[in-house]
Amino acid sequence: RKEVEQDPGPFNVPEGATVAFNCTYSNSASQSFFWYRQDCRKEPKLLMSVYSSGNEDGRFTAQLNRASQYISLLIRDSKLSDSATYLCVVSTYSSASKIIFGSGTRLSIRP
Amino acid sequence: NAGVTQTPKFRILKIGQSMTLQCAQDMNHNYMYWYRQDPGMGLKLIYYSVGAGITDKGEVPNGYNVSRSTTEDFPLRLELAAPSQTSVYFCASKEGTDYSNQPQHFGDGTRLSIL
Repeated sequence: RKEVEQDPGPFNVPEGATVAFNCTYSNSASQSFFWYRQDCRKEPKLLMSVYSSGNEDGRFTAQLNRASQYISLLIRDSKLSDSATYLCVVSTYSSASKIIFGSGTRLSIRP
Repeated sequence: NAGVTQTPKFRILKIGQSMTLQCAQDMNHNYMYWYRQDPGMGLKLIYYSVGAGITDKGEVPNGYNVSRSTTEDFPLRLELAAPSQTSVYFCASKEGTDYSNQPQHFGDGTRLSIL
């Protein structure tokens, strides 16, 4: 079993739709969680951190479920510019190398 | 601030040649990382460093070497380039403490082709 698993997609949704991704992780000692987006042939860029109580940034909402060991990302009112690959990242505080990237979920927004 | 700067952006090497990929950060981050990303695949950790003078292997270190003589710089060296090393290489840095919830910051990558 991979340490961090994501549905690879692709998700193909119309503009204005709401779309959600999940990411599961296997290490119960994981403490830090992030969502990154990566555009084609570009570097990963931080989208948002994920906090225990859940957090929102504009159209984006991130949730953490420690009991079931997954994090989620919800995108509301999707825009064409949201088309990208979304990477789930899980890490532990005390180990610099224990930063695990999921393989990413591809999202394509159609007009 | 420039953030994380990688050079060169593109390079073509012949099999057996050597080269150094440069990475510099101006955020005074302790932790630095080198990843490779093959087409359609996720990031794989090559080497990382928790501070000047300290480096350690990641998931796929074979064929690569690193050094960390300063906090700012973390070069990656390929000694004998092989076609399997054709990839996009990303350098990243982050604040490093035992209780840090800080994300990584990435450079914009070096696209390397070995022919």
